[in-house]
Parts: sequence; structure tokens; C-alpha cells
Amino acid sequence: GQNIDQPTEMTATEGAIVQINCTYQTSGFNGLFWYQQHAGEAPTFLSYNVLDGLEEKGRFSSFLSRSKGYSYLLLKELQMKDSASYLCAAPTSGTYKYIFGTGTRLKVLA
Amino acid sequence: KAGVTQTPRYLIKTRGQQVTLSCSPISGHRSVSWYQQTPGQGLQFLFEYFSETQRNKGNFPGRFSGRQFSNSRSEMNVSTLELGDSALYLCASQGVSDEQFFGPGTRLTVL
Repeated sequence: GQNIDQPTEMTATEGAIVQINCTYQTSGFNGLFWYQQHAGEAPTFLSYNVLDGLEEKGRFSSFLSRSKGYSYLLLKELQMKDSASYLCAAPTSGTYKYIFGTGTRLKVLA
Repeated sequence: KAGVTQTPRYLIKTRGQQVTLSCSPISGHRSVSWYQQTPGQGLQFLFEYFSETQRNKGNFPGRFSGRQFSNSRSEMNVSTLELGDSALYLCASQGVSDEQFFGPGTRLTVL
């Protein structure tokens, strides 16, 4: 079947580093996406990995291992505004186009 | 470039009614996808339109339908509303790497 798993909730302290994991099982592979969604708002695109390895974008980095069906989002120097849900998503080669994980709710504490 | 716009932002309907939601993608984007987001199920793909044709469809009943116009604007229709249709409906236009640019959403409440 097709599935994306990620932890439901995580808590971290301002200034710290947090890693949000995602495992996926999809038919075909066309990349792995991360989105950020603040409460009451729409998701916004954060990163895209299609090859194995780490992609760095400022305080945010995303890693992909295609052989393990695994990705993580790394957030450094956490700020209060990083409190949000982080969604892992993968396009599929089937008719569903896109499968999203249920999201990891990150709380950043002062 | 202006972002994705959706109207209306909020809607209250009663069971059995039908509703039409509208979405205008980012200028130049030809693919529009619709999603339903609920606390229990998360973000679920409804369908995708590209150049006025439905290209992909999720696992939703036939009460959910859509269309796309020649200017890429899209509409989504839900007929015979049920309580379980209460959700945030998001429209997204697609970037060059398949990334989704979401609109602000329409919050539908079915009473």
C-alpha cells in the first residue's frame, strides 16, 4: 500500500535543533516534499528532495534516503515562530497524485 | 506574482445542499489541485486539473466534482452535503518541480 508516517507531536526549546522524521511507502518515486503549516493557515512549501543526501536551505535542511524510504527535516536555531505542523508529502505514480503524512506538530518552548 | 486565491473563505451550509468553491492559481500555472483537510484525516487529495482536463483523482465519492476553465481558474462542487464534509478545502497550483503552492482555503461548515 501507499503510506507516509511521521510522529504526531514534538517539543523543543528555543535555540535548539530538532529532527522530524518521515518514512514513506509509495508506488513509484517522484521526490519527497516538506511543508510547514501554521495553525489556521495554508501549508507552505519548504523543501524538495529527489536525490539521496542533504539539501540545506538556511536554518532548514532536508535529508533523503530512497533505499530506506526515509527522510528527515532538520530545523536549527529554533525560534518561537517555528511552532507549526510539518507535513511530509510524496507524489505517486498512481492516480492519487500526492500523499501527505498527517503532520508533526512542533511546539517550541521559551 | 500574486498567490493562489480562493473564494469564499468561509461558508456555512446545511445537509443536502450543494456548494461551489472557486480557485485562481498563480499566473502562468496550469495545474490546479484540490485537497480536503480535516483534523482526523489530515490532508487528502481530491483531484487535479491541467489544461481543463482532470488528470488525477483521489478516493472521494462522485458528489465531489470539479472543472477548470481556459484561464486555469478552477471550481470544485460538492452536492448533497453531509456533516462529514465539514473541512478546510485547499486549492494548490503546481510549480516546476511539482511543489504545491496553496491558497488560503475555504472553511466549509455543514450543519
